[in-house]
Amino acid sequence: GAGVSQSPSNKVTEKGKDVELRCDPISGHTALYWYRQSLGQGLEFLIYFQGNSAPDKSGLPSDRFSAERTGGSVSTLTIQRTQQEDSAVYLCASNPDRTNTGELFFGEGSRLTVL
Amino acid sequence: AQKITQTQPGMFVQEKEAVTLDCTYDTSDPSYGLFWYKQPSSGEMIFLIYQGSYDQQNATEGRYSLNFQKARKSANLVISASQLGDSAMYFCAMREGTPLSGTGGYNKLIFGAGTRLAVHP
Repeated sequence: GAGVSQSPSNKVTEKGKDVELRCDPISGHTALYWYRQSLGQGLEFLIYFQGNSAPDKSGLPSDRFSAERTGGSVSTLTIQRTQQEDSAVYLCASNPDRTNTGELFFGEGSRLTVL
Repeated sequence: AQKITQTQPGMFVQEKEAVTLDCTYDTSDPSYGLFWYKQPSSGEMIFLIYQGSYDQQNATEGRYSLNFQKARKSANLVISASQLGDSAMYFCAMREGTPLSGTGGYNKLIFGAGTRLAVHP
């Protein structure tokens, strides 16, 4: 497809389990971002990738959260030993190398529920 | 301090009427960009409109316009002729600095808490 693709769309897990969330950005977009949206809240920045490197990880809430990006394309956000407060929608966004506005293109998100 | 403030948790409007959603921002960077996104119940984030800090005129996109008052640091979204399909969450966001090009463009957006708009028939 032409848009940002995220999987799974829904994930239910038990407290203490690890989860992986995947993001496939728009082809050719070199910048990739992860955001978290808790219920009824705004978007909270987690991490930014430029190519395969992550110059800004300032939003990762704890060392249980990590992310990687390979081939300048697909990114995986991993949450280890999940806690109930990790329940949220995780949104991925990308933008192209050249942009006049800096508009981010978002995927539809991965809804994580930790029981 | 909050970078982006949306003071209206919820708004109601009658179909076909206009509605204004408020947004104030805080930055010391002379170059910045302001965005509005719409999030329907499906969860996708839909880009609506953009205003650059150096833009001389208020941005308009169809039924959407941005009332940009730089001195007051406000960037209110005006939706004219509301439709039932406009019912959604609306987020104001800011990018500090210029959009970088040539190196992948670091364009981290800071979002407000959002306003839920309900359009009544």
